[in-house]
Amino acid sequence: QKEVEQNSGPLSVPEGAIASLNCTYSDRGSQSFFWYRQYSGKSPELIMSIYSNGDKEDGRFTAQLNKASQYVSLLIRDSQPSDSATYLCAVPRMDSSYKLIFGSGTRLLVRP
Amino acid sequence: EAGVTQFPSHSVIEKGQTVTLRCDPISGHDNLYWYRRVMGKEIKFLLHFVKESKQDESGMPNNRFLAERTGGTYSTLKVQPAELEDSGVYFCASSRSGRAFKNEQFFGPGTRLTVL
Repeated sequence: QKEVEQNSGPLSVPEGAIASLNCTYSDRGSQSFFWYRQYSGKSPELIMSIYSNGDKEDGRFTAQLNKASQYVSLLIRDSQPSDSATYLCAVPRMDSSYKLIFGSGTRLLVRP
Repeated sequence: EAGVTQFPSHSVIEKGQTVTLRCDPISGHDNLYWYRRVMGKEIKFLLHFVKESKQDESGMPNNRFLAERTGGTYSTLKVQPAELEDSGVYFCASSRSGRAFKNEQFFGPGTRLTVL
């Protein structure tokens, strides 16, 4: 079992719709969770971080965390074609370095 | 505030040659990480510096890889001699000190290494 799992997609949604991206993780001790957006050929860009159960909203983005189910999601409201990218879920391993463990990423396509 | 910078952006070398990658973290960030993404795989951790000290190098593939962080500022990652399987994109990331598990890591643009 991978430490961080995501569906690779592609997830295709029409412009203006809500895109829902999901991630599960295996370490029950994990304390923080990050979502990165990566455009093709570019570096990962941090877009959301969440540490507590529940929802965290930032503009059109909402991160949702359920530690009991070991599940974290990212919702993108009013999706735009410019949101088309790969979304990476990253969870720090709880050791001396807190290195990020990445999922394989979900590719999102927003159709105009 | 300037972001993480990396040099070069691309490097094409032949098997057996040496390549040195450089990373300049965000000013004031004590934590510096190296990651790598090879074709079709997830981004994987290589090593972690806290200031000039190696905190964790458990992700380094083998002793052909050598990383340094002079004076706790920029870092270099040397591959010597390079092998075909070393091809990939090498990312550097940095974060502040403090409660490390909450620290947000900011990534540089990466160096795309191609070994022929």
